[in-house]
Amino acid sequence: EDKVVQSPLSLVVHEGDTVTLNCSYEVTNFRSLLWYKQEKKAPTFLFMLTSSGIEKKSGRLSSILDKKELFSILNITATQTGDSAIYLCAVGFNNAGNMLTFGGGTRLMVKP
Amino acid sequence: GAVVSQHPSWVICKSGTSVKIECRSLDFQATTMFWYRQFPKQSLMLMATSNEGSKATYEQGVEKDKFLINHASLTLSTLTVTSAHPEDSSFYICSARVGTGPFYGYTFGSGTRLTVV
Repeated sequence: EDKVVQSPLSLVVHEGDTVTLNCSYEVTNFRSLLWYKQEKKAPTFLFMLTSSGIEKKSGRLSSILDKKELFSILNITATQTGDSAIYLCAVGFNNAGNMLTFGGGTRLMVKP
Repeated sequence: GAVVSQHPSWVICKSGTSVKIECRSLDFQATTMFWYRQFPKQSLMLMATSNEGSKATYEQGVEKDKFLINHASLTLSTLTVTSAHPEDSSFYICSARVGTGPFYGYTFGSGTRLTVV
């Protein structure tokens, strides 16, 4: 059975801290791993990773994929209160349906 | 960029009535649309995959007679919650794949918050 597991479930930090969110997966026909940020409404796209070892970076956020060990991390440096959200990891498959399987999400709260 | 427009944003309905949620791809053709449900403080759960011109594929445990999905055109997919009950109250989100080849992504509708009273 395909599985995507995120950890931790929730995290509380103070502004300025650096956080690392984890996503591990056990799937067949892996194609890509995606990170999303969800605040009050629908998720917003952060990164898509398909190749191992290549870091993707956007401002204070960065992510990397390890296809051998089957996991990805999302790093946020110098956190701000606006980073408070649920961070979702999803795996896309090489199949006709092209669906995503989501992990359980990590709820991040950044305190001032 | 590719946009999926989802309506309504929120709806309150009486128990026993039906509610239709629409998702339109505004500037691209969505051959496949995915419908997700989200409970408070939980991740997204895939309910079904709708393919234009054919029957939707439902995930295990999702009642296809209760959650009717229609994907009649390349730009419109609808989810109808029939005979809604309070336990159907949730946040429903649609999503479509955008792009082809190795460089594709997914775009989400803004979601519909359904409250059944």
